[in-house]
Amino acid sequence: DVKVTQSSRYLVKRTGEKVFLECVQDMDHENMFWYRQDPGLGLRLIYFSYDVKMKEKGDIPEGYSVSREKKERFSLILESASTNQTSMYLCASSLTDLILNTEAFFGQGTRLTVV
Amino acid sequence: DAKTTQPPSMDCAEGRAANLPCNHSTISGNEYVYWYRQIHSQGPQYIIHGLKNNETNEMASLIITEDRKSSTLILPHATLRDTAVYYCIVRVANFGNEKLTFGTGTRLTIIP
Repeated sequence: DVKVTQSSRYLVKRTGEKVFLECVQDMDHENMFWYRQDPGLGLRLIYFSYDVKMKEKGDIPEGYSVSREKKERFSLILESASTNQTSMYLCASSLTDLILNTEAFFGQGTRLTVV
Repeated sequence: DAKTTQPPSMDCAEGRAANLPCNHSTISGNEYVYWYRQIHSQGPQYIIHGLKNNETNEMASLIITEDRKSSTLILPHATLRDTAVYYCIVRVANFGNEKLTFGTGTRLTIIP
């Protein structure tokens, strides 16, 4: 079975803390994505990566950074957490295949609360 | 920039066909139409995708207009478990730079 695993389902952190959200996929996918989801705003893309050590900004990268040292792992980093980063964070991965044009697989999400 | 437009919410009676529309008037020739859904407290799940032909699988049917500017996802016999937010996205696989962008979707409620 295809698996995208996020390290935590729920997380509570204090303002100013450095926060790491981890995502691991076991499908050998090239592409990995981080989204946040807030009521009324849908899924918004924060960062994505199409290869090891490669990263691209999504639509809302401010306040975040990412790391992809290994193909299977994509980390989202909040350098100094703020209350407006309280949200549901979703990780996804997909295979780049121009013929099959495959789907993206999502993790279960991490609900982060910054207090 | 929003590439797709969907109604924010819809209701459908249990057992009836649910027809969810999506407008993608600026779609390019090499862009596919994808549909995902997100059931409460879960990550989005792939449903179906197509380029220009109508598609059907065990979950749903996808009807794409001839000019490809709009599409409809059809759930033939909706059940209560189909209550979810449905996302229509357009996507092109550019090797080495695949940005996957979602919008706000349609909240579908199946009424008993």
